[in-house]
Amino acid sequence: DTGVSQDPRHKITKRGQNVTFRCDPISEHNRLYWYRQTLGQGPEFLTYFQNEAQLEKSRLLSDRFSAERPKGSFSTLEIQRTEQGDSAMYLCASSLVKTGGYTFGSGTRLTVV
Amino acid sequence: GENVEQHPSTLSVQEGDSAVIKCTYSDSASNYFPWYKQELGKRPQLIIDIRSNVGEKKDQRIAVTLNKTAKHFSLHITETQPEDSAVYFCAASKDNNDMRFGAGTRLTVKP
Repeated sequence: DTGVSQDPRHKITKRGQNVTFRCDPISEHNRLYWYRQTLGQGPEFLTYFQNEAQLEKSRLLSDRFSAERPKGSFSTLEIQRTEQGDSAMYLCASSLVKTGGYTFGSGTRLTVV
Repeated sequence: GENVEQHPSTLSVQEGDSAVIKCTYSDSASNYFPWYKQELGKRPQLIIDIRSNVGEKKDQRIAVTLNKTAKHFSLHITETQPEDSAVYFCAASKDNNDMRFGAGTRLTVKP
């Protein structure tokens, strides 16, 4: 287990298409987080899971966005009907409950054309 | 919800000088304050963190201070080196829950 893995690294899609990203956290980490980062900004919180339960969703997460972590291991983030404003780096992170900082993945860079 | 503000947005120092980055937070319930370093095109990486039960923590050339009353915390880097050049983010959370990040400080260390 070498850390948090995200797939794909890059995704170019046409406006209106659906996209899905995957995150594999560090295996013993029971918390998984999704963030979005645009150029020159800090990561913006989207949602997080503890095991398979989605505990919080940001208001940034419109109804076009959905995240799942069905077995408490990997997670997927789907964006439906993509818009140009969705272009960003989507970062996944994982941690243990209440201890330590987050370990981030390398991110998925989404470009909507 | 928590709101974290960070300043300055850019900081340029000469090699060997010290650098200080400051953050304020809004939620008095926040109790965990990490700092991340992000190099161009790479993931944010945790460099130091502090919990609300301590006022200062040091790790070699990096130190963080926390003032709970004023709700602000700072990152101090001494004897800066060119490889310290990066974007630094502060963050705050309660119990490692939904962490909120500052907007970042771009630090440039000039040789």
